[in-house]
Amino acid sequence: ILNVEQSPQSLHVQEGDSTNFTCSFPSSNFYALHWYRWETAKSPEALFVMTLNGDEKKKGRISATLNTKEGYSYLYIKGSQPEDSATYLCASRNTGKLIFGQGTTLQVKP
Amino acid sequence: DSGVTQTPKHLITATGQRVTLRCSPRSGDLSVYWYQQSLDQGLQFLIQYYNGEERAKGNILERFSAQQFPDLHSELNLSSLELGDSALYFCASSVEGGAFTDTQYFGPGTRLTVL
Repeated sequence: ILNVEQSPQSLHVQEGDSTNFTCSFPSSNFYALHWYRWETAKSPEALFVMTLNGDEKKKGRISATLNTKEGYSYLYIKGSQPEDSATYLCASRNTGKLIFGQGTTLQVKP
Repeated sequence: DSGVTQTPKHLITATGQRVTLRCSPRSGDLSVYWYQQSLDQGLQFLIQYYNGEERAKGNILERFSAQQFPDLHSELNLSSLELGDSALYFCASSVEGGAFTDTQYFGPGTRLTVL
């Protein structure tokens, strides 16, 4: 069974703080790592897809790195804003299945 | 708006009943996926269809079934409903479904409440 773990479970930061969270996945039979942002009352929205060891992706103030050898990915948010408040999900792709972690819920206080 | 539509948005029913959830993928997408989000659980993959054929199966109960029609819309049928089936059910679609980098686009979900 493929387990994807995310930490921390929740995070509260002040506006302007930079933050990061972790996604751990089994490094064997790795194919791709997906990051999604899920705002309350909306549906999950794709952020990044990463495949290669050492991959780095960036979208505005959000960036992610990937280490496939040790099985982890970091998501960074620089200068958090209240609109960044959401649950961030990572998912490891194994054959036809996306296996999701439980998510990290970020609350940014103005 | 992802372009994936799901109906209904909310569904309230009783134990033992049967319901059908409907999903229309984004234009051009051939794959449809179904996920279940229960309280305190992450998104659980149920099943994937690609161009009308079942492609991958997750932890889908025998009481649940799905199909994808020639126009590519999909239906998830839940029968003999139990209280524990109350959850948010998401449909997602992607262009192919076989490529590991294929992004899945999620619909707004159907919230099912079983009383």
